[in-house]
Amino acid sequence: GAVVSQHPSWVICKSGTSVKIECRSLDFQATTMFWYRQFPKQSLMLMATSNEGSKATYEQGVEKDKFLINHASLTLSTLTVTSAHPEDSSFYICSARDRAASSYNEQFFGPGTRLTVL
Amino acid sequence: DAKTTQPPSMDCAEGRAANLPCNHSTISGNEYVYWYRQIHSQGPQYIIHGLKNNETNEMASLIITEDRKSSTLILPHATLRDTAVYYCIVRAGGSGNTGKLIFGQGTTLQVKP
Repeated sequence: GAVVSQHPSWVICKSGTSVKIECRSLDFQATTMFWYRQFPKQSLMLMATSNEGSKATYEQGVEKDKFLINHASLTLSTLTVTSAHPEDSSFYICSARDRAASSYNEQFFGPGTRLTVL
Repeated sequence: DAKTTQPPSMDCAEGRAANLPCNHSTISGNEYVYWYRQIHSQGPQYIIHGLKNNETNEMASLIITEDRKSSTLILPHATLRDTAVYYCIVRAGGSGNTGKLIFGQGTTLQVKP
């Protein structure tokens, strides 16, 4: 089946530093990837839609200059949390739509990246 | 996309069927019902989706009422590994859909031995 990976699976960083998270579709091409954030005991919150070769579309309230998204190829999207602060500590999850699949088809989710900002 | 309402939590005995309800009374004609689940500290996993007919796959069955205002996800023989948060999501289909999935609070299913 379709597999999406994320790297790293967890990261601890100091306040003020930037952290890059990678999302890869391993066995399919994804024209669209999505980034979610999940705080403890809460549901997933969609942050942005990432389209290959174009600018990401951010959900209302998500700062595009803080959460930089790059979708440079059909198998890779990256999320960079710039100048991270403790309140950015969260579980970041990506998902990908298979380019070749039906438009009704399911999205495939990565395993998530746990970010802790000290 | 239409909103959904799910009970916050449910228990189920191991080996028994788990029936998870979802209300989506404002669903429109081109919107599909999707079910995902999230096991603790993992990414969500697709389970099943449907438009108006009942659907079944190797994981579960999806029963959609005739008026499409509610649905039920059925796990026929729940195991301890089915303990997870189950999300019912309504989303438009068709080639023009954005693909965005908006997650509600879901139902926490606890399967007990």
